[in-house]
Amino acid sequence: DTGVSQDPRHKITKRGQNVTFRCDPISEHNRLYWYRQTLGQGPEFLTYFQNEAQLEKSRLLSDRFSAERPKGSFSTLEIQRTEQGDSAMYLCASSTPEETQYFGPGTRLLVL
Amino acid sequence: AQKVTQAQTEISVVEKEDVTLDCVYETRDTTYYLFWYKQPPSGELVFLIRRNSFDEQNEISGRYSWNFQKSTSSFNFTITASQVVDSAVYFCALRDYNTDKLIFGTGTRLQVFP
Repeated sequence: DTGVSQDPRHKITKRGQNVTFRCDPISEHNRLYWYRQTLGQGPEFLTYFQNEAQLEKSRLLSDRFSAERPKGSFSTLEIQRTEQGDSAMYLCASSTPEETQYFGPGTRLLVL
Repeated sequence: AQKVTQAQTEISVVEKEDVTLDCVYETRDTTYYLFWYKQPPSGELVFLIRRNSFDEQNEISGRYSWNFQKSTSSFNFTITASQVVDSAVYFCALRDYNTDKLIFGTGTRLQVFP
């Protein structure tokens, strides 16, 4: 039984470039969440999916951010025209409805 | 507004000491869930416990115990006989009843020295 996986684990990019992260949830979980964590802070909710439907988006998710879960399995989070302020840990979690969210190892993004 | 406060930024103890991590929450919901997660240096958030607002019974799991008090809106976490492997950042979180998202505190960094 595998947990939530995320790829890549680390990403260094230059300002203005686009980046895409992938999250593979626990197989029987139909809910998938994205959070962002900056240094010294707790994770902050970005968005979540139930199956392929995106049910909520935080105001933190600017127009440069887009998330998809096309077949209700894995999800991608894309950041266009990255800015230095996007540097953070991006965490993915999955669950069944109203149950505990289990987190992946995260993707650390550094924008130079 | 929904909020979780972890006033202790960092705690340092010597191995075998007991340590309590504080968590205070704010919510207007009558039904809610509270969580504790551990984040070791590797970065992955590890689930420790979930507590329903209707269940105020304290829980013990090995060296870990949790004290939930609705009257003071607190959900404190105690590690008995701490070990070096307990060194991590610990987060308390509140789940929004309607949206399912987790609202985290700022975390408490625990350092256990040998």
